[in-house]
Amino acid sequence: KQEVTQIPAALSVPEGENLVLNCSFTDSAIYNLQWFRQDPGKGLTSLLLIQSSQREQTSGRLNASLDKSSGRSTLYIAASQPGDSATYLCAVEKETSGSRLTFGEGTQLTVNP
Amino acid sequence: DAGVTQSPTHLIKTRGQQVTLRCSPKSGHDTVSWYQQALGQGPQFIFQYYEEEERQRGNFPDRFSGHQFPNYSSELNVNALLLGDSALYLCASSFGYEQFFGPGTRLTVL
Repeated sequence: KQEVTQIPAALSVPEGENLVLNCSFTDSAIYNLQWFRQDPGKGLTSLLLIQSSQREQTSGRLNASLDKSSGRSTLYIAASQPGDSATYLCAVEKETSGSRLTFGEGTQLTVNP
Repeated sequence: DAGVTQSPTHLIKTRGQQVTLRCSPKSGHDTVSWYQQALGQGPQFIFQYYEEEERQRGNFPDRFSGHQFPNYSSELNVNALLLGDSALYLCASSFGYEQFFGPGTRLTVL
């Protein structure tokens, strides 16, 4: 059974700091990994999707890496801003799961002005 | 493109009642998945519909059922509501590998 763990559970940083969020998964037979952002009480916004054959993806100040063999992914946020405050979730799609996602419990990020 | 839409936004029910939640997928998407997200937790997969059939199901009791219509929109039905069914219910649509989520329906069971 696929399990996804995110560390840390919560993170508070001053504005402008670079930061790294971690995601690990137990079954390396994944099809892809997605990082999402969730604002309080809202739905999920897709940030980055990394296919299993890829090592990383970048969008603006965000960079996500994937090490499939070790079951790890990181989300790097450069020059953090108060508007980045949200919960960040990673989710993996197993190779045979037909787009069923397994989520971690998220990292709650607070960026202080 | 309106993206994935869900209705209603909020819903309050009492134990034992039945509820129906609705989802309209992103234009061109033919697959709809439903997730339950309890407070402080990550979303949990309920089931997925494709071509009007339930294609796969997570670890949820039969009180949770669904339907997909020819226009790909979908409904989630929950019977005999329990206090523990209180959660944010998320719908996701896809065509291929990337999933797009709606804003969710907040269900409160009293």
